[in-house]
Formats: sequence, C-alpha cells, structure tokens
Amino acid sequence: ILNVEQSPQSLHVQEGDSTNFTCSFPSSNFYALHWYRWETAKSPEALFVMTLNGDEKKKGRISATLNTKEGYSYLYIKGSQPEDSATYLCAFNSRPGGGNKLTFGTGTQLKVEL
Amino acid sequence: DAGITQSPRHKVTETGTPVTLRCHQTENHRYMYWYRQDPGHGLRLIHYSYGVKDTDKGEVSDGYSVSRSKTEDFLLTLESATSSQTSVYFCAISGGLAGGETQYFGPGTRLLVL
Repeated sequence: ILNVEQSPQSLHVQEGDSTNFTCSFPSSNFYALHWYRWETAKSPEALFVMTLNGDEKKKGRISATLNTKEGYSYLYIKGSQPEDSATYLCAFNSRPGGGNKLTFGTGTQLKVEL
Repeated sequence: DAGITQSPRHKVTETGTPVTLRCHQTENHRYMYWYRQDPGHGLRLIHYSYGVKDTDKGEVSDGYSVSRSKTEDFLLTLESATSSQTSVYFCAISGGLAGGETQYFGPGTRLLVL
C-alpha cells in the first residue's frame, strides 16, 4: 500500500495570511500528483495535476510545486480568504495506464478566520 | 460540472441487508471509480472500472462487488451490509487512457448500517 502523507493535519489562519501545506509521496514509480479542494458537504474538486519534476501550477491565489526526486509537493495559498476554508487533498498516481488509480492523503483542513 | 449523479443520496439499512448504490454519468468517460470516505482515512478506492464489464479491485474491496453493464452506469453492491460499511461513498469518473487524468467526483451517498 502506497503511503501519501499530508501535513499539517489542520491549520487555522487569519484572513490575508499566506499559507502552505505539504504532500509527501513515494519518489519511485512516480507518474502524477493531483491536488483537490474539498469543501464541507460537497464533493472534491480538482485543482491541479502535475507530472514533471519542477512543475509549478497556478490558479488564482493558489499555486503548487512538485519535487519528484525527493517525493514532495507544496500547495501555497496567498492572501487567504474565508472562502478558501476547505480540506485540501493530494493524490498520487504511480503508473501510467492501469485505470489511473489514485492513492489519497488524508488531507489538510484549512480554516480561514476573519 | 461533470455530469455525475449518485443514487440514493442517503440510505439507512440494517446489518445483513443487501444494498446497491448507483453511479450514473453523462460524460461518456471510460473510467469509473468507487471510493469510501471515513474520518482519519481520507478517500480509499473500493473498486474501479476501465470499461464495460471490465472491473478491478481497489484498496478496500472486501465485502463489496461492482458491475458495469453500460458505459454510463457503475453499480456498487454490499452483499450483506455490516456496520463497518457505514460511510460516505463517492463515485468518480475520468476519461484518459493513461495516468494523470483528473478524476471528477459525484455528490456522494451517505450510508448508515444499523
């Protein structure tokens, strides 16, 4: 069973703060790393898919980086807003084909307070 | 939003009763997945399908079976429900043949086994 770790488990920040989370995954047999945003009572929503070492993706105030050699990815949120409050999941894909099976971390729960 | 529906959305059943959950998509995506979500475990893959009548096991497949007779429908069956199968079940779809394709999630089914 692949091990995907996310830290911290939860985070409280003030509105306007910038923050970042970590996703650690096996560095061998890497194929892709996904980030999802999951609001309470909704379904997970895709943010990024990254496949290349050194990849950087950006969507508004949210960005992500990828280091496949050392097996980690960072998700950054600049100027956090209350609407950013959600659980952020990363998921690891270890091989091409084979049904695109993903192994998810347990997520980082972000709460942005006014 | 990807066209994915799940039915029922909520179900209460008794131990030992068979239960079938349905996932329906209108996107004509090849891959379909069933996950369960439990506190402290994140999303765990139960079964997935890579085409009509083609299915395979995921990480937590014991006690579950699946069927896919049409591209648009993926059924998850609990042959004899147990209290440990109380969970929120999510269906997901993806279109790609290779790994790295984004998975799109349905709204979830909340199942309580008494």
